[in-house]
Amino acid sequence: AQSVTQLDSQVPVFEEAPVELRCNYSSSVSVYLFWYVQYPNQGLQLLLKYLSGSTLVESINGFEAEFNKSQTSFHLRKPSVHISDTAEYFCAVTSRNAGNMLTFGGGTRLMVKP
Amino acid sequence: EAGVAQSPRYKIIEKRQSVAFWCNPISGHATLYWYQQILGQGPKLLIQFQNNGVVDDSQLPKDRFSAERLKGVDSTLKIQPAKLEDSAVYLCASSLDLGPWGVGNTEAFFGQGTRLTVV
Repeated sequence: AQSVTQLDSQVPVFEEAPVELRCNYSSSVSVYLFWYVQYPNQGLQLLLKYLSGSTLVESINGFEAEFNKSQTSFHLRKPSVHISDTAEYFCAVTSRNAGNMLTFGGGTRLMVKP
Repeated sequence: EAGVAQSPRYKIIEKRQSVAFWCNPISGHATLYWYQQILGQGPKLLIQFQNNGVVDDSQLPKDRFSAERLKGVDSTLKIQPAKLEDSAVYLCASSLDLGPWGVGNTEAFFGQGTRLTVV
């Protein structure tokens, strides 16, 4: 069975400050990892994903995440956040054995303050 | 390209009533998912279709929930009878194909969801 833990339910941060949203997973097989973002009153959107290759993956809007197999983590970071980054962020995991079935963490609400 | 369409956006019903949600996936997407997102939690997969066949419904409470995708396109999710704990956002998602990750055609696109309140 696979599971995802997002340790922080809410992360308040000031605009232009750096941020890290933590994600840890458990799985007995090789995994594929994702971060989804949910803006207010909108659906989930894929932010970035790790399938294979380089352990550092980036999104088009400045977020990055690093797959750390030894620590079973996939933390999301951004060096300087904007007000528009305020949203709910979900980490998710799947594997070949899971047939594309995504298991989501509980989510982290990022609140960017001016 | 049109996204995943869901209706209604909001629904309020009394417990023990029935309710149905509708989903129209992105054109050409073979795989369709229904997720339940309870307030404060991450989405949980209820059922996964590949065309009109069920791939996984292990987390669907079959005594009250049912879902169908008769023509391999649109899908409906029904709850009968509803309970208070069914209050949640019901998300529909679709992906191009059910294949091994890394092929690049299996990203899931989500609709805006239907917010169900059972009173």
